[in-house]
Amino acid sequence: AQTVTQSQPEMSVQEAETVTLSCTYDTSESNYYLFWYKQPPSRQMILVIRQEAYKQQNATENRFSVNFQKAAKSFSLKISDSQLGDTAMYFCAFIFRGAIQGAQKLVFGQGTRLTINP
Amino acid sequence: DAGVTQSPTHLIKTRGQQVTLRCSPKSGHDTVSWYQQALGQGPQFIFQYYEEEERQRGNFPDRFSGHQFPNYSSELNVNALLLGDSALYLCASSFQRDQPQHFGDGTRLSIL
Repeated sequence: AQTVTQSQPEMSVQEAETVTLSCTYDTSESNYYLFWYKQPPSRQMILVIRQEAYKQQNATENRFSVNFQKAAKSFSLKISDSQLGDTAMYFCAFIFRGAIQGAQKLVFGQGTRLTINP
Repeated sequence: DAGVTQSPTHLIKTRGQQVTLRCSPKSGHDTVSWYQQALGQGPQFIFQYYEEEERQRGNFPDRFSGHQFPNYSSELNVNALLLGDSALYLCASSFQRDQPQHFGDGTRLSIL
């Protein structure tokens, strides 16, 4: 079974600090995508960053970067210079390709509630 | 460029009733996926539609059914509602196998 595990239910840091959210996953596939999504209280799931498994280089998007360890099946998110607007639920997700060509589904972790304090 | 739109925003139903939720994909997208997100949990995949056919299904009973129309919009139908069906229902769209999936704001369904 494809699973995604986020071991930190809640985290809290001060504004401008750096924070790292952890994620591990389990799959037998060799080619897949990994994502971090952010869900603020407004409910919309917003893509933060994505990583293609065949790429060695870790993805970065401005203040957001990942540490992708394929052998360890680990995919952590680092937020630098954290801002009040970063307060949200963060979900790690894995794309699983189904048996039917083109079929795919996102498998999400349980989420980490991140609070940035002023 | 309109993103993924879902309607209604909120819905209150009673046990045993039936409900239909609607989703319009982002412009240029042809694939729609539905997810159920219980309070405090991560979203769970319900099913995915492409070319008006259900392509993949998660572990949800037959009470959950869907449809995709020629304009790529989609409906999620739930019959014989149970209290446990109370959740945020998210629709996501994408272009075929391309990534990533883009999400709508969701429909909050409450069952009394």
